[in-house]
Amino acid sequence: QSVLTQPPSASGTPGQRVTISCSGSSSNIGNNYVYWYQQVPGTAPKLLIQRNNQRPSGVPDRFSGSKSGTSASLAISGLRSEDEADYYCAAWDDSLSGHVVFGGGTKLTVL
Amino acid sequence: QVQLQESGPGLVKPSQTLSLTCTVSGGSMDSGGYYWSWIRQRPGKGLEWIGFIYYSGSTYYNPSLKSRLTISIDTSKNQFSLKVRSVTAADTAVYYCARSPDSYDTSGLMGYWGQGTLVTVSS
Repeated sequence: QSVLTQPPSASGTPGQRVTISCSGSSSNIGNNYVYWYQQVPGTAPKLLIQRNNQRPSGVPDRFSGSKSGTSASLAISGLRSEDEADYYCAAWDDSLSGHVVFGGGTKLTVL
Repeated sequence: QVQLQESGPGLVKPSQTLSLTCTVSGGSMDSGGYYWSWIRQRPGKGLEWIGFIYYSGSTYYNPSLKSRLTISIDTSKNQFSLKVRSVTAADTAVYYCARSPDSYDTSGLMGYWGQGTLVTVSS
């Protein structure tokens, strides 16, 4: 059972806008930055969004992040076939002397 | 551009110690300000944070693994290491090393990742 809650799956057709949610608590999302990672099966995770809504260099502006209270969202606009991957949210958690927590991951299927 | 590469045995016997090293290239670990992390992914499962070491040597560990973990750093070799003691089949996973996104990111989260290495615990 992951500390951060994500839907196990999401889907969309090419060109659509898809959002993936991530729900936490005051000890993690509510008080700390949220990060999003994309993992194509068989490869290492890649940082998509840092510090709630900042895209690292090289990440297309089709990807955007937002946070409100103890929840966060990743939005992907203009969906493309290469966006099919697993997406994970993560945050620092202040409990138990502090540690990083992940969501369980959302498998995005491009129909 | 920083690059990270995990290395170590791919097979470890139950009850023994799993030891992995992450070699960093494209920048000196001595430059400071970075968090150096280990993360694992069991087959077919999600990501699990193991812990990190700050360039100064201070460490934070996953509370559920803490009693079995040691993360150390050797800036002279541009390497950091992970040891997991008393392993069981449940420790079978792909192990990733990673670095924080930039030197002013104090979140402890990961920016750059190694390609990962599969470690199987089996007799």
